[in-house]
Formats: sequence, C-alpha cells, structure tokens
Amino acid sequence: AQKITQTQPGMFVQEKEAVTLDCTYDTSDPSYGLFWYKQPSSGEMIFLIYQGSYDQQNATEGRYSLNFQKARKSANLVISASQLGDSAMYFCAMSSPGGGTSYGKLTFGQGTILTVHP
Amino acid sequence: NAGVTQTPKFQVLKTGQSMTLQCAQDMNHNSMYWYRQDPGMGLRLIYYSASEGTTDKGEVPNGYNVSRLNKREFSLRLESAAPSQTSVYFCASRESLELNYGYTFGSGTRLTVV
Repeated sequence: AQKITQTQPGMFVQEKEAVTLDCTYDTSDPSYGLFWYKQPSSGEMIFLIYQGSYDQQNATEGRYSLNFQKARKSANLVISASQLGDSAMYFCAMSSPGGGTSYGKLTFGQGTILTVHP
Repeated sequence: NAGVTQTPKFQVLKTGQSMTLQCAQDMNHNSMYWYRQDPGMGLRLIYYSASEGTTDKGEVPNGYNVSRLNKREFSLRLESAAPSQTSVYFCASRESLELNYGYTFGSGTRLTVV
C-alpha cells in the first residue's frame, strides 16, 4: 500500500524568504509519480509541480522546486521568495501505476498549512 | 473550457436525508474519482470509476453509492446522511493513467449534516 506523510501541520515564513514543506512517502512500486497541490482558502485544488521516480533532476516550476531524495523517500517542496498569496494548505500526493486495486488513484498526505507573514 | 463541474457547492442536510452530488467533466477523461476532505486527514478516496460502466470502492466507501452515468458524469449518492459525512467532497478526473498525469479537480461541495 502507498502512504504519504506530511509531518508539519503548520508552517510560518516571512515574506520574501524561502520555505521547505516536508513530504515522505512509502511504496513498493518501482515506478511512481509525486505531486504537490495548493489549496487556498477559496477551496480549489491547484497543481504546482510533478516529479517522476525515474527523473534524474529535481523538478522546478517558477518559484517552486521539488527536492527529491529517492533513497530517503522524500519529496520536499521548496518555495523561494515567499509571497502573501502563498498562504494556503499544501498537499503532497503520489500516483501509482494504472491497473490493479490502485487503479490510477492519487494518494494524498494530510496537508501543511503555510502562513506567510508580511 | 469548464473542466470539472460539481453541484451543488454548499448543502445542509438533516440526519437520514438523502442527496446526490453531481459531477461532470468535458475533457473526455476516462477516469473519475470522488474524495472527501476532512481536517487533519487529507483527501481520502471514496469511489472511483476507471472507465464508463465501471465503478470501484476506495478507502472509505461505507454510506455512499456512485453511478457512472456516461463518460462525462459521475455522481455520488448519500442514501441516509449521517453527521460523520459532514465534509468537503471533491470530484476529480484524470486524462491518462500515465504516472505524470495528475487530477483535474472540481471546486468542491461543502456538505453539512445536522
């Protein structure tokens, strides 16, 4: 079975500073994908970044980067130059290969609430 | 392009009442999913539909039923609502089962059972 763990219920960061949100995962599948989603107070789920298990380089999307350490089974999200609009809930998620009992589903962590202070 | 549309956005039910949450996607995706979101527990899978005509249970299916009416629509029914079903419900679809394809989410339904 797959499992995603986000150990930080809440994080605080000063505007313009960088912040790292932790995510560890557990799976027996050799191939998997890792996602981060942002959920602002309005409630919608916004895709941020993706990392494949066989990708050699860490994924980056603008101010977001994913610190992927396969041996440690961690996929931390790094947000550089935090902005007030980054205040939100952040979810780490993992995709499994299609087929079988986990047919294409994403498994989500518990989430981390990030608050950016001015 | 509307993406995934959920209705209603808000609903209050009395214990024992029934209701159906509607979800429709216009992206021609094969796979559709229903999740519930509760504080401190992330998103948990209720039911999913890998393709038109098929449905399967997820992690927390008790108290729910689903219907994949056609390729576009995937509804979630609460036959006899309970306070424990107070939650935010998300419908999602997925273009492909390739690992690098994530979900497109609906905007959610906030359900309160009193």
